Amino acid sequence: AIQLTQSPSSLSASVGDRVTITCRASEGISRSLAWYQQKPGKAPKVLTYEASILQSGVPARFSATGSGTTFTLTITNLQPEDFATYYCQQLHSHVFTFGPGTKVDIK
Amino acid sequence: QELLQESGPRLVKPSETLSLACTVSDDSVSAANYYWSWIRQPPGMGLEFLGSIYSSRVTNYTPSLKSRITISVATSGSQVSLRLTSMTAADTAVYYCARGNVVTPPTNPHFFGQDVWGQGTTVIVSS
Repeated sequence: AIQLTQSPSSLSASVGDRVTITCRASEGISRSLAWYQQKPGKAPKVLTYEASILQSGVPARFSATGSGTTFTLTITNLQPEDFATYYCQQLHSHVFTFGPGTKVDIK
Repeated sequence: QELLQESGPRLVKPSETLSLACTVSDDSVSAANYYWSWIRQPPGMGLEFLGSIYSSRVTNYTPSLKSRITISVATSGSQVSLRLTSMTAADTAVYYCARGNVVTPPTNPHFFGQDVWGQGTTVIVSS
């Protein structure tokens, strides 16, 4: 199965900061990657799909890029509601594995 | 009303079989452009993809659970079901069902991220 790693595993940031999270796949997955945000006690929410397409309704301060094995999620002008855990997920193989997550908390 | 609603037992004994249902509030359960996934999250841990189904019958399961898991669609009741046998404490988790889009050209299907999720249901395995 395709494995995903995320870095960093956690980070502390302030409101207004720019934050970048990286997801790496164990083999090439073309652009078949989605990013999710999860807040405590809630279901995940999709932010982007196909590596860089912003889901309808997601604020434009979220952006994503990448293809092949390396992908990034960037949050510019971090807002209080953005403090959460972020997961990547590959949808290239039929076992849609998730990355281990990156927790973004308040500095 | 939530589009997806998981239901099932909160407490399961070790070695028993877990059966969960995901009730879909619209008529999309048999639509060709959707796939349905089950995902779980143990306490304090990350998300684990369990398996998926599309075209009402094509299933894919994570290898570590392949001998224990069955996902099926019941179109009459607009439900997606999960069955997991031989439960152990390691299966204690919040279980989510989710829907995503799939494009099925003549060759390989192409899957997009899961954009609709249920609220999740907690399952505890304990005697």
